[in-house]
Amino acid sequence: KNEVEQSPQNLTAQEGEFITINCSYSVGISALHWLQQHPGGGIVSLFMLSSGKKKHGRLIATINIQEKHSSLHITASHPRDSAVYICAVLQGAQKLVFGQGTRLTINP
Amino acid sequence: EPEVTQTPSHQVTQMGQEVILRCVPISNHLYFYWYRQILGQKVEFLVSFYNNEISEKSEIFDDQFSVERPDGSNFTLKIRSTKLEDSAMYFCASSGDRAHTGELFFGEGSRLTVL
Repeated sequence: KNEVEQSPQNLTAQEGEFITINCSYSVGISALHWLQQHPGGGIVSLFMLSSGKKKHGRLIATINIQEKHSSLHITASHPRDSAVYICAVLQGAQKLVFGQGTRLTINP
Repeated sequence: EPEVTQTPSHQVTQMGQEVILRCVPISNHLYFYWYRQILGQKVEFLVSFYNNEISEKSEIFDDQFSVERPDGSNFTLKIRSTKLEDSAMYFCASSGDRAHTGELFFGEGSRLTVL
């Protein structure tokens, strides 16, 4: 069983739609990261959460520590948001455990 | 904006050869990491490095792997005798603080192909 599960694995939506990507984890963590992987392979950090909610532009990330669940929301989605979104949880002080990623495609 | 740079972007090598992947982390960062992603699979943690020593490593990071910071700016990953299954994208990352409290900055990756 994977320690970090993301859903859905693939998501296709129309421009302007509200997007939600979910992440569930089965281990104790000290923090959770949301990352974006571009089609070319590069990885960009979007959020680091240990509790509550964070917002950056059209992106919102929430975490519920008791339920071991986090969500990433994108409002007013745009084709440039098309990427793989990865949830990664921090175990201990340094080790990140990654989910398998959610491939998001936004059609114009 | 400061960035993490990695070289080479792509390296092709023969099985059994030694490979060194290089990374220049952001200059004032203190924590350095290597991750790998086999094609079509999820990203995996390899090793973290702080204060000139390994602070944590995964089961993947066996005796064939080593890391060092030879000159205070570069951070290298060496694979002593490459295997076919070492073919992957290798990402370097750095943070000013530990991964759980600070933002992680990733390089663009080095693609290693072992023939």
